[in-house]
Amino acid sequence: GAVVSQHPSRVICKSGTSVKIECRSLDFQATTMFWYRQFPKQSLMLMATSNEGSKATYEQGVEKDKFLINHASLTLSTLTVTSAHPEDSSFYICSAGSGGAAPGELFFGEGSRLTVL
Amino acid sequence: AQSVTQPDIHITVSEGASLELRCNYSYGATPYLFWYVQSPGQGLQLLLKYFSGDTLVQGIKGFEAEFKRSQSSFNLRKPSVHWSDAAEYFCAVGTNQAGTALIFGKGTTLSVSS
Repeated sequence: GAVVSQHPSRVICKSGTSVKIECRSLDFQATTMFWYRQFPKQSLMLMATSNEGSKATYEQGVEKDKFLINHASLTLSTLTVTSAHPEDSSFYICSAGSGGAAPGELFFGEGSRLTVL
Repeated sequence: AQSVTQPDIHITVSEGASLELRCNYSYGATPYLFWYVQSPGQGLQLLLKYFSGDTLVQGIKGFEAEFKRSQSSFNLRKPSVHWSDAAEYFCAVGTNQAGTALIFGKGTTLSVSS
């Protein structure tokens, strides 16, 4: 299957700083990428849909000014957690679809674990 | 919009016993259905998927799932559970349209007793 890579896999930062997480589709172009958030022992919640060359679409309750999403190319989307606080500590997972024969199939990155001290 | 329900939060199965994890979905058209497994602190691993065709789908690690449209279900089964199967299992539903996200159920925690 198609490969989606996230970086960094783990990041620890101080409260008030900003953290950027990258999501890359390694062997296909992704017009749309998705960002999910997973709290400990909970399910994946869709945060936003990232569209190449346009503004991201955020799910209800997700602060767009806090979670900045940029999808500057067909292979890269970034999620920046601005002015991070301990409650932002979570597992962030991105996904992308390669289209083709199964347009609705998504491939997931390995996830990025953010810890805010 | 699609949605997924996993009725069982936590299931304990004896090693060697059979397993069935339940998943019910809601979607007006033919769904794309997935089962993922997640070990603690790890990312998602795709076990199997259903897009169309044969309603009994075989996956990795000896898992299978059956799509039952009349019951809006996509239950995951394994005939003999191994201790290494202990993990979190997520059912997810999508569509056949590019650019739509997968929606996940709340997950079922599987414990395996010896």
